[in-house]
Amino acid sequence: GENVGLHLPTLSVQEGDNSIINCAYSNSASDYFIWYKQESGKGPQFIIDIRSNMDKRQGQRVTVLLNKTVKHLSLQIAATQPGDSAVYFCAENALTGNQFYFGTGTSLTVIP
Amino acid sequence: EPEVTQTPSHQVTQMGQEVILRCVPISNHLYFYWYRQILGQKVEFLVSFYNNEISEKSEIFDDQFSVERPDGSNFTLKIRSTKLEDSAMYFCASSRDTNEQFFGPGTRLTVL
Repeated sequence: GENVGLHLPTLSVQEGDNSIINCAYSNSASDYFIWYKQESGKGPQFIIDIRSNMDKRQGQRVTVLLNKTVKHLSLQIAATQPGDSAVYFCAENALTGNQFYFGTGTSLTVIP
Repeated sequence: EPEVTQTPSHQVTQMGQEVILRCVPISNHLYFYWYRQILGQKVEFLVSFYNNEISEKSEIFDDQFSVERPDGSNFTLKIRSTKLEDSAMYFCASSRDTNEQFFGPGTRLTVL
């Protein structure tokens, strides 16, 4: 049968605005999370990670927030730039293993 | 900056043929992974490899798949008898520990 791709959530923001990308994870035993950026035709690129003993972590222009109560993860990008246009995935892992489960992804488009 | 490399970038094969996808992980990394991404879908874990053996594998990684680290630098994924549904991007990744994984650019496998 026809292979129908997933419909990615999309987010369009103006250059210079802040972006917030959300992810709901599934496994309450997951204790390590990574946000990846994937540009067209390339492999996932690490952005930032967070462990379950934290609820916030900041990097350069990016902040990850973790809410374990509702199993929710968000990525905030400050002063979004055209080069930030990509698909963003969250990935979860239980530190007892090394298998990461990727989310569906969100397509971010930055409008110049 | 060291990076994961993969060859070939694109592989076209006939259904039923064997293919070998090659990866050179980052040199001081100890954990190696294969993922696949069917067009328009999420990244899916296939297998992880540590200390010269498979440490975890997913349901996708059936008897048609095998991995090998034939020497100190290469990490290969073999598909013995390719099927149409094996068409996907295959990403190799490596990590120094069980945390941040660095992904290669991927090999696009097309099965005709």
